[in-house]
Amino acid sequence: RKEVEQDPGPFNVPEGATVAFNCTYSNSASQSFFWYRQDCRKEPKLLMSVYSSGNEDGRFTAQLNRASQYISLLIRDSKLSDSATYLCVVLMNTGFQKLVFGTGTRLLVSP
Amino acid sequence: DAGITQSPRHKVTETGTPVTLRCHQTENHRYMYWYRQDPGHGLRLIHYSYGVKDTDKGEVSDGYSVSRSKTEDFLLTLESATSSQTSVYFCAINRGSDTEAFFGQGTRLTVV
Repeated sequence: RKEVEQDPGPFNVPEGATVAFNCTYSNSASQSFFWYRQDCRKEPKLLMSVYSSGNEDGRFTAQLNRASQYISLLIRDSKLSDSATYLCVVLMNTGFQKLVFGTGTRLLVSP
Repeated sequence: DAGITQSPRHKVTETGTPVTLRCHQTENHRYMYWYRQDPGHGLRLIHYSYGVKDTDKGEVSDGYSVSRSKTEDFLLTLESATSSQTSVYFCAINRGSDTEAFFGQGTRLTVV
């Protein structure tokens, strides 16, 4: 089983739609959680950290459920510019901190 | 943007030749990482460093070695390049635990 799993998609949605991505992780000792965005042929960039209480940044909302070991990302009012791959990232401390990436979920927003 | 640069950005090399990729940071971050990214696999950790001369293997370290003689530089060497090492290589840095990582722009390596 992969340490971090995501649905690869693609998710095809129209502009203005709300879309949600989920991610599950296997290590219950995981400490920190992030969502990264990666555009085609570019490096991943931090979208937002994920906190236990949930957090929101504009149209983006991230949630963490430690009991079920999953993380979610909700994008409201999708824009064409949201088209990208969204990577779920988990920081695991197994003697040394290690960032483990999901394979990413591809989002395509169409006019 | 975080001060992290990779060189070269693109390289084509022949099977069996050694190749060294460089990651340079100006942030004085302790932790540095080398990942490779391939379709269907996402980002996979090759090696990482938690300080000068302190390195360890990641999940796909076979055929790769690293060195970190200075805080700012983390070198990845393919000792004898193979076609299976054709990939996009990303370097990442972070300050410490519980902090986000910043990535370099990537190196696109083709082994022919």
